[in-house]
Amino acid sequence: DTAVSQTPKYLVTQMGNDKSIKCEQNLGHDTMYWYKQDSKKFLKIMFSYNNKELIINETVPNRFSPKSPDKAHLNLHINSLELGDSAVYFCASSLLGASPYEQYFGPGTRLTVT
Amino acid sequence: GNSVTQMEGPVTLSEEAFLTINCTYTATGYPSLFWYVQYPGEGLQLLLKATKADDKGSNKGFEATYRKETTSFHLEKGSVQVSDSAVYFCALSERTGNQFYFGTGTSLTVIP
Repeated sequence: DTAVSQTPKYLVTQMGNDKSIKCEQNLGHDTMYWYKQDSKKFLKIMFSYNNKELIINETVPNRFSPKSPDKAHLNLHINSLELGDSAVYFCASSLLGASPYEQYFGPGTRLTVT
Repeated sequence: GNSVTQMEGPVTLSEEAFLTINCTYTATGYPSLFWYVQYPGEGLQLLLKATKADDKGSNKGFEATYRKETTSFHLEKGSVQVSDSAVYFCALSERTGNQFYFGTGTSLTVIP
C-alpha cells in the first residue's frame, strides 16, 4: 500500500564509494523528484523527471546522476561520495496539471559518508 | 519569483498551549498553499492545503487561512499535544508549474 517507497532507508559508506538510492511510486503519477535535506532540515530540490524526461536540474555536482527507467521509478546514483553528501534524500511524486498540484513524499534515505 | 518565508524555530510549547507558525509568500501568479509536517525519522506528509484566497485548510485540529491581501498562510492550533512535536513546512505551488517552493521549516517541541 506504500505510495512512494525508497530503498535503502539507511546507507552508511566511505568516501570515494559509488552508491545508488531507488525510488518507486504506485500512485500513477507522471512526475518524480529528488530532494536533499540537510542537518538543519532545509529542503533543496535536486532533480525532477516528467514521463522519464529531465525537467528540473538544479545546481548539483555532476557526481549525482538521476535515472528514470519508467515513470514509476526514479533512481539516484552518486559517484565518488564526499563527506558533504551526508544528508537525508527524499523522493517525491506528483501529477503534472493536477489541481491543486501537490507532492507526495517517500520516507527518506539517510546517507552517512564516513 | 516565488518564495516562502516562515518563522524560525525552534518553538517549544507546553501541552494544551496555542500554536501559531507564521508563513508569508511571494508569488507571480495565484498559487496553491500547503502545510507539510515531518515527524521524527519520517518523510513529509501533507497536513492541509488551500487553493484560493480566503480558503481555510484544516486537519487534525490545525487550521490555516489563505490571505491574499497579506500574502500569508499562518498555521494555528488551539491546543497542542506532545504528539504534535515535528517540523512544519509551509509551501506553495503555481497552478501551471511543476515545482514546489518550501519554507525553511519550523521545529516544534511540545512538552508535557
